[in-house]
Amino acid sequence: EPEVTQTPSHQVTQMGQEVILRCVPISNHLYFYWYRQILGQKVEFLVSFYNNEISEKSEIFDDQFSVERPDGSNFTLKIRSTKLEDSAMYFCASTGRDTQYFGPGTRLTVL
Amino acid sequence: GESVGLHLPTLSVQEGDNSIINCAYSNSASDYFIWYKQESGKGPQFIIDIRSNMDKRQGQRVTVLLNKTVKHLSLQIAATQPGDSAVYFCAEREIQGAQKLVFGQGTRLTINP
Repeated sequence: EPEVTQTPSHQVTQMGQEVILRCVPISNHLYFYWYRQILGQKVEFLVSFYNNEISEKSEIFDDQFSVERPDGSNFTLKIRSTKLEDSAMYFCASTGRDTQYFGPGTRLTVL
Repeated sequence: GESVGLHLPTLSVQEGDNSIINCAYSNSASDYFIWYKQESGKGPQFIIDIRSNMDKRQGQRVTVLLNKTVKHLSLQIAATQPGDSAVYFCAEREIQGAQKLVFGQGTRLTINP
C-alpha cells in the first residue's frame, strides 16, 4: 500500500541553524501539505502546495519557512533560521482528491 | 473564526464495549470531515471520512455521524480492542481554499482490559 515517507525521523539542531525536512508523497497525488504538532497539542496546518506553487499558507508559515518540490518525488520544508519554538513534530501529507494521508513525521528539536 | 473542538479530552472504555468520541465544529462552510487516529510517536492515520451531504457513514467497526444542524460530528467504535487505544482527532475542510484541514484538540481513548 502506498504511503507518505519522511526523513529524518528525528532532527536535532542549534537555534539559528537551517534545517530541511524531506517528504516523499504518494506518487500519483497532486496536493501536498506540511503540518506541525507541538507536543501535546493539535495538528496545525502550515502550507499547501499544488502545481509547483504554494496555494495556501497559515500565519505560522512566515518568511523563515519555504517549501520546494525539487524533483518529481520529493517535497521539502526548509526552516531558514530555527527558533526554540519551532520544536515540534512536522508532518507531510498528500492527497489525490479528498483524503489526506500523513507521513510518520519528523521530530524537530531546536536547542 | 473557524474552530474544531472536542468535548472530552480523555475517554476510557472496557475492552469489547462500544465507544463514542464527539467533536463540535463551528465552520458551516466545511464540506468534508475526517477522523484520524494517532498513536504515540506516529502520524495521523485515516480512519473514516464523510461529506457534508451525508449524515452517516459506516466502515469496519467504525461509524461516523454528522449533524449539520448542531455542527456535531461523532465517531463510534464498536467492540473496542486494545489496539484502538490512541488519540483521535476530527478534522474539517472548508469548501473554499486549498483543502487545508483544521484539526480539533483530540480525545485520548484508553481501552481497559
